[in-house]
Amino acid sequence: KAGVTQTPRYLIKTRGQQVTLSCSPISGHRSVSWYQQTPGQGLQFLFEYFSETQRNKGNFPGRFSGRQFSNSRSEMNVSTLELGDSALYLCASSLEPGGINTEAFFGQGTRLTVV
Amino acid sequence: AQTVTQSQPEMSVQEAETVTLSCTYDTSESDYYLFWYKQPPSRQMILVIRQEAYKQQNATENRFSVNFQKAAKSFSLKISDSQLGDAAMYFCAYRSFGGATNKLIFGTGTLLAVQP
Repeated sequence: KAGVTQTPRYLIKTRGQQVTLSCSPISGHRSVSWYQQTPGQGLQFLFEYFSETQRNKGNFPGRFSGRQFSNSRSEMNVSTLELGDSALYLCASSLEPGGINTEAFFGQGTRLTVV
Repeated sequence: AQTVTQSQPEMSVQEAETVTLSCTYDTSESDYYLFWYKQPPSRQMILVIRQEAYKQQNATENRFSVNFQKAAKSFSLKISDSQLGDAAMYFCAYRSFGGATNKLIFGTGTLLAVQP
């Protein structure tokens, strides 16, 4: 069974550009969450999707957006990139939101560098 | 709002010895989940152990066990017989029980070094 796949693994962008990151969850998983990891702020929740609907959103500016497709794959987009957006972006997939036995499985992340 | 605090930025342990990583949290909820995740240099977060707050018994997974003190809002991880492969960043995380969400609130992490 394939794990969570995030593409690309590495990305270098220029300030002001926009970027799209992709996450393919484990087969059968319908819930996808995104996190930003930086040395200064640690791991911060971005948003959560289930059945193509955003269920929860973290405290990030509107430049950060996401979506989920009917096959549960998810994308997140960051517009007008700033230097502070440089981070490791992690995706986690789960069977469904909440639940006693719902474990989050993480991908290896996308390392975004904004120059 | 819930918060998770890990007060040990770095820890070191000799191979085969035991080490305990500390975690405290703050919440007004009575039911919740607590987790320890391991992040090796490969960056992939791996679940080490989980604890349901409504269970009084401390969770164990092979060499990993927790000391869950609900009243003190403390959730420490004990690693026994430490191995070189245990070297990683360890994160404590909180998840609400209700609300149908998988949102995790993470601590700042503890970097564990294992000395041969």
